[in-house]
Amino acid sequence: DQQVKQNSPSLSVQEGRISILNCDYTNSMFDYFLWYKKYPAEGPTFLISISSIKDKNEDGRFTVFLNKSAKHLSLHIVPSQPGDSAVYFCAASAAYNQGGKLIFGQGTELSVKP
Amino acid sequence: GAVVSQHPSRVICKSGTSVKIECRSLDFQATTMFWYRQFPKQSLMLMATSNEGSKATYEQGVEKDKFLINHASLTLSTLTVTSAHPEDSSFYICSAAKGRLDGYTFGSGTRLTVV
Repeated sequence: DQQVKQNSPSLSVQEGRISILNCDYTNSMFDYFLWYKKYPAEGPTFLISISSIKDKNEDGRFTVFLNKSAKHLSLHIVPSQPGDSAVYFCAASAAYNQGGKLIFGQGTELSVKP
Repeated sequence: GAVVSQHPSRVICKSGTSVKIECRSLDFQATTMFWYRQFPKQSLMLMATSNEGSKATYEQGVEKDKFLINHASLTLSTLTVTSAHPEDSSFYICSAAKGRLDGYTFGSGTRLTVV
């Protein structure tokens, strides 16, 4: 049962344009969502998070949007830079669930071309 | 910011031996730490939740006798892969958070190769 889904395994974007990474979830008890960036053979690096009481959170070039009714969130990166090329994971947690363990999506590999 | 240190970064061991991986929160106390496993080009799969002072909670399908977790203090959790076999070869990552809404920090991961 895949509770967090990233249906696009890869995304290619031109430098300077917007990158939009999508994530869907099925568990309505999730109340905290995070995006991570990951390189091979390294641990994930935290990018940005959003609580279910909000529908938008912005941090520099990164903005996360949450649509609770659709159980959908997205990460916008603008402008995209070649250094953004990596695998991006969305993750979700629920307060009731074992100290808020994170459930990860499958990841989307972003490639930003110069 | 929160820092999580994981050691070793890579280890090669012979089949049948045991390997211990350490995860430390360097500048905060973590009552809960999490252990994940990642196969190539796949997602991070949660293996278990490590609770300070009590038994770990394992995810369905994870053998608790094979993957021993000890959370002896508020800053240290260890994962021991016992009687390792080639199919245990994987990338193991730990994470911790000061609080659930503070963001989860991950260690740098351990590449385990069993030969």
